[in-house]
This record gives sequence, structure tokens and C-alpha cells, in this order.
Amino acid sequence: QKEVEQNSGPLSVPEGAIASLNCTYSDRGSQSFFWYRQYSGKSPELIMSIYSNGDKEDGRFTAQLNKASQYVSLLIRDSQPSDSATYLCAVILFFSGGYNKLIFGAGTRLAVHP
Amino acid sequence: EPEVTQTPSHQVTQMGQEVILRCVPISNHLYFYWYRQILGQKVEFLVSFYNNEISEKSEIFDDQFSVERPDGSNFTLKIRSTKLEDSAMYFCASKLGLTDTQYFGPGTRLTVL
Repeated sequence: QKEVEQNSGPLSVPEGAIASLNCTYSDRGSQSFFWYRQYSGKSPELIMSIYSNGDKEDGRFTAQLNKASQYVSLLIRDSQPSDSATYLCAVILFFSGGYNKLIFGAGTRLAVHP
Repeated sequence: EPEVTQTPSHQVTQMGQEVILRCVPISNHLYFYWYRQILGQKVEFLVSFYNNEISEKSEIFDDQFSVERPDGSNFTLKIRSTKLEDSAMYFCASKLGLTDTQYFGPGTRLTVL
């Protein structure tokens, strides 16, 4: 069973601080990784994708990937109260014919307090 | 910006009844998915659909479930005889190509009484 693991939180950070969210995955063959944000009662919203080892920055968000350690992280700089949500780590799992699906972690709840 | 739409936003039904959840994927997308999320739990894959057939389904997707693309725009999920444990948010997703990002619709909250 291919798994994606995240701490459920809540992770509480003050406004303006850096929030660090972590994720590990079990399938060593995974190539594509995603961070989604989910507000309560809403659908997942894509924040970032990352495919290569190292860092990828987009505005206040930085995704980091270490395939050797099977580890993906998301840093949110200058955290805002509006960033308070559940952050879902997702990994592409391929099956026969090249088709694929997303495997999600349970999510980490982030709370940014003023 | 194009988006995936889903109707209804909330469906309440009696146990044993049939429900059809509807999705309109982004217009030029080719790959379609249904996921579900039971309250407080992970988003779980149900089924993927390409070229008018199921390409993969999970163990959750048993004989009570079916999917259809009845025309060029809609993608539906039918649950033939709903159970209490089918209560969940159901998300439709679509993507253009095999390696592209999946975009999610807003979801349908299904409540089975």
C-alpha cells in the first residue's frame, strides 16, 4: 500500500513567521509531488508542484524535495491569517497503461494567529 | 479562467436510494477523476476515466458505483443504492494530459440518512 504521511497538527505560528510543513512518501519510484491547500468544507486547491530534487519557489511558498530521503516540504514565508487551512501533500501513483492517480496525505492543519 | 463545476453542491438522500452526482470538467481536458473525502479523513481516489472507459478504480468503487460521460461535457458518478457510509464530499477532477496537474471541482456534499 503506497502511503503519504503528514503530521496532522495543528501547527500554530504567529503572523509573519515561517511555517514549515513536512511530508514523507513510501513509493521510491514517485516522480511528481504536489501541495494542495484545503479550507474547511472546500475542495483542494493546488499551491505548488515539484518534480526535481531541490527547492522551488513561488512567491511566499517554497517546496523542497529530497527523493533519497523520500521527503517533501512546504515553507510559507510571512505567514498570514488567511493561510490558515489544511495543507495536503499528494503524490502521483502510476498504474498500468501510464495512467495515474493522486495519493493524498491526511493533511496538516495550519493555524496562523495575529 | 476555466474551472471544473459540480452539481448539486449538497445532496441529501435516504439510504437505499440512487444518486447521480454531476461534473462538468474543463472543456479541453481528457482525463477525469472522482475522489471522495469522508469528514475528517483523507481525500481518497475512487476512479479514473479516459477515452470513454474506466482506466483504474479503487476497492471502494464496487458494483454500486458507476461513471459515465453521457455527452461531450458532463461526467457523472452514480451510486445505485446508497449506504450511510457513502456520506462524504465527492470531488471531480480533470486534467489535460497524462502528466498534467489535476484541477478539482468544488465538491458535492452527499448526506445519506
